[in-house]
Amino acid sequence: DAGITQSPRYKITETGRQVTLMCHQTWSHSYMFWYRQDLGHGLRLIYYSAAADITDKGEVPDGYVVSRSKTENFPLTLESATRSQTSVYFCASGRQGGTEAFFGQGTRLTVV
Amino acid sequence: ILNVEQSPQSLHVQEGDSTNFTCSFPSSNFYALHWYRWETAKSPEALFVMTLNGDEKKKGRISATLNTKEGYSYLYIKGSQPEDSATYLCAFNTGNQFYFGTGTSLTVIP
Repeated sequence: DAGITQSPRYKITETGRQVTLMCHQTWSHSYMFWYRQDLGHGLRLIYYSAAADITDKGEVPDGYVVSRSKTENFPLTLESATRSQTSVYFCASGRQGGTEAFFGQGTRLTVV
Repeated sequence: ILNVEQSPQSLHVQEGDSTNFTCSFPSSNFYALHWYRWETAKSPEALFVMTLNGDEKKKGRISATLNTKEGYSYLYIKGSQPEDSATYLCAFNTGNQFYFGTGTSLTVIP
């Protein structure tokens, strides 16, 4: 189906583990974004990508790694998960020129 | 990091009341201003995209205005209904990044 999908929807992991959140879009949008949602902070940008093989840091990149080898995929990796990374993560995509961002359903990550 | 502020943080209104909230953003590096509606357990859905100073957009009972020179946008809801209860997010778009405000949480009491 066309759209933007995130997986998994829910994840519980232990402190220190590596975990990867997946994001896939079928529109061939140039831009893709990762946000985290925390109470009192709204949506904060972690990383974004303007095209395949082009990524850049957002507001809160520390502890996260991204890659974009294909236009349609934008995985987010927590190299060594910490409790402060417990959050809801949203992936979004948009056309070049930034006319609109379309959001995935979110991944609720709990680090114990 | 760009500062995008929304006010109020939350409000409760009675069904049938009209309400409005504010999004403030930098007046430089402006490309577009977006409003999203975000219901609990769902992903944000786009309401409006505004690009020109003085833009006014309307969708049903919801409308928005834009002032890029002074850096603010208003969202209005006329005759609020319980189904309008949601968080309303604005996003400042520089052309390659979206900076979101923290949202205004609206509860419409039947």
